[in-house]
Amino acid sequence: EIVMTQSPDTLSVSLGERATLSCRASQSVSSDLAWFQQKPGQAPRLLIYGASTRATGVPARFSGSGSGTEFTLTISSLQSEDFAVYYCQQYNNWPPWTFGQGTKVEIK
Amino acid sequence: EVQLVESGGDLVKPGGSLRLSCAASGFDFSGYTMNWVRQAPGKGLEWVSSITSRSTSISYADSLRGRFTISRDNAKNSLYLQMNSLRAEDTAVYYCARLEGFDISGHYGLIFDSWGRGTLVTVSS
Repeated sequence: EIVMTQSPDTLSVSLGERATLSCRASQSVSSDLAWFQQKPGQAPRLLIYGASTRATGVPARFSGSGSGTEFTLTISSLQSEDFAVYYCQQYNNWPPWTFGQGTKVEIK
Repeated sequence: EVQLVESGGDLVKPGGSLRLSCAASGFDFSGYTMNWVRQAPGKGLEWVSSITSRSTSISYADSLRGRFTISRDNAKNSLYLQMNSLRAEDTAVYYCARLEGFDISGHYGLIFDSWGRGTLVTVSS
């Protein structure tokens, strides 16, 4: 099973600032990496797949990068609606599909 | 518009059983692999089970140890999860999620692209 580890657990960011979230895989997942956003009481929403391809309707301020075992999600200028928990997930080697533990982006 | 609506969550005693349902609409349900993913209170996401479009291939998380059974009825556009011998650690919101295939520069991947709002299962005496 591939273990996904995210850092930091919590990220405090001011409105308009850049947020950088990290995700590490225990073995290479190539570019088979997705990012999800989850707000309280809501289902996860697909943001990024293929490590860097934005899903339909996702604003351009969200960008993903990386391959192999190291990945990054960047939110270029935090908007109020971006405060949420973000999960990375690998789909290279399944089952099981595995998720990181999540990074909470909160208002500084 | 893709819609996935879960139901069946409830308060159940340890050792009890529960059957969850997921009603799908807005897409050709019979053409997709479907999944259950759960989230314990205040915790992260955990994949539970997957079933291919014609039910020819089924998989489960190792942690379930044969207690859960996934099934589907394509005629009714519905996905199910039969949960037996429930334990306190099964307490979670259970989401129904669709796997969609994406081709990125010739590389094909299966991604959870649509999710329901979830149904809460609480296992407690």
